[in-house]
Amino acid sequence: DTGVSQDPRHKITKRGQNVTFRCDPISEHNRLYWYRQTLGQGPEFLTYFQNEAQLEKSRLLSDRFSAERPKGSFSTLEIQRTEQGDSAMYLCASKGRWDNSPLHFGNGTRLTVT
Amino acid sequence: AQSVTQLDSQVPVFEEAPVELRCNYSSSVSVYLFWYVQYPNQGLQLLLKYLSGSTLVESINGFEAEFNKSQTSFHLRKPSVHISDTAEYFCAVSSSGGSNYKLTFGKGTLLTVNP
Repeated sequence: DTGVSQDPRHKITKRGQNVTFRCDPISEHNRLYWYRQTLGQGPEFLTYFQNEAQLEKSRLLSDRFSAERPKGSFSTLEIQRTEQGDSAMYLCASKGRWDNSPLHFGNGTRLTVT
Repeated sequence: AQSVTQLDSQVPVFEEAPVELRCNYSSSVSVYLFWYVQYPNQGLQLLLKYLSGSTLVESINGFEAEFNKSQTSFHLRKPSVHISDTAEYFCAVSSSGGSNYKLTFGKGTLLTVNP
């Protein structure tokens, strides 16, 4: 169990640029979640996948955001035309098949939009 | 819809003192409850969870939490804290009857343990 891996750890970009983050879940986990955490707040749910299917999206996920999990393994989160309000920590989590297995979080990608 | 309220945004304590971090939740359905801990510039680590059964749950590093259904609370306690317990603590809830298992988090409580 190597844990949930996220890349990059930090990303600084200029407003209007596109960015893409990657998440590699724990290998046997079929569920994958994206959360966003801003300063002084708890993580907020963005979207989740079961295998390759994206089953739920939050209203926080504007049309500039898109997430994929093409083969049911790693996932990418892309933000187009970034805005300063997108600056946050983006957290990925995965979960095993059993009902009582918890979410395991990665260390996150910290995005700063200048 | 579910929500979590963590009543204290910051809790400063001295080393070896007891501590309680308060958490109340709101839900119209049965829930699972969790406490996660976050150290600076890191992701969240599961501290303990309540799924069913005994209402008192314990972690390996001395924390415990008690599920109180009538008061809709899941307060976190430790009888004697260490400097290394300094971190942000998040209470979270998920629906036990749903299939998405997504978590709703509180805003967090920053525990600062002073020597």
